[in-house]
Amino acid sequence: GAGVSQSPSNKVTEKGKDVELRCDPISGHTALYWYRQSLGQGLEFLIYFQGNSAPDKSGLPSDRFSAERTGGSVSTLTIQRTQQEDSAVYLCASSSTALSSVDTQYFGPGTRLTVL
Amino acid sequence: GESVGLHLPTLSVQEGDNSIINCAYSNSASDYFIWYKQESGKGPQFIIDIRSNMDKRQGQRVTVLLNKTVKHLSLQIAATQPGDSAVYFCAETGLTDKLIFGTGTRLQVFP
Repeated sequence: GAGVSQSPSNKVTEKGKDVELRCDPISGHTALYWYRQSLGQGLEFLIYFQGNSAPDKSGLPSDRFSAERTGGSVSTLTIQRTQQEDSAVYLCASSSTALSSVDTQYFGPGTRLTVL
Repeated sequence: GESVGLHLPTLSVQEGDNSIINCAYSNSASDYFIWYKQESGKGPQFIIDIRSNMDKRQGQRVTVLLNKTVKHLSLQIAATQPGDSAVYFCAETGLTDKLIFGTGTRLQVFP
């Protein structure tokens, strides 16, 4: 497949547990973004990776959230000590370059996280 | 601060009619705008984009209009079909590469 893939598609966890969400971007895309979408809401930016540059973490809601991108490809979003308010769909997107170069973001199907 | 919002949360149209979905943005420095379509259980799908040096761009059955004077963006869908039923988001770039999304408009198409 040529699109962005995410796993798992659904994750149910207990409050206080840690979770890891995975994103496989489109091959060759240098930019990778994580967003959060609460039920019936728009998309909230979380973090942005561009090539080898330091990631833009300005959207991360707390220090319980972190993300890394290994080898410039796969990314993992980690949420520690999950809370019920973390329940949402987590979306990953990639683009071939930064938006300033007019390359649009392509989204994966998302991971639906439910914290009980 | 930067914000993008939508005038209508839900739009209902009859199959075959034209649809117009509106969006307002607040950052006059935004220079790139995108419309996404999101079907239930799926990620947003790119529809069409426009740069601030343009005021109109057409795709297949879709047209995006940009009015920089009043900071308004619209998506026009011609001959709306049942498959167009979805939530539509506008998004903008502000001063960074981050997309800022509106809350979305649900388009419902009736036969």
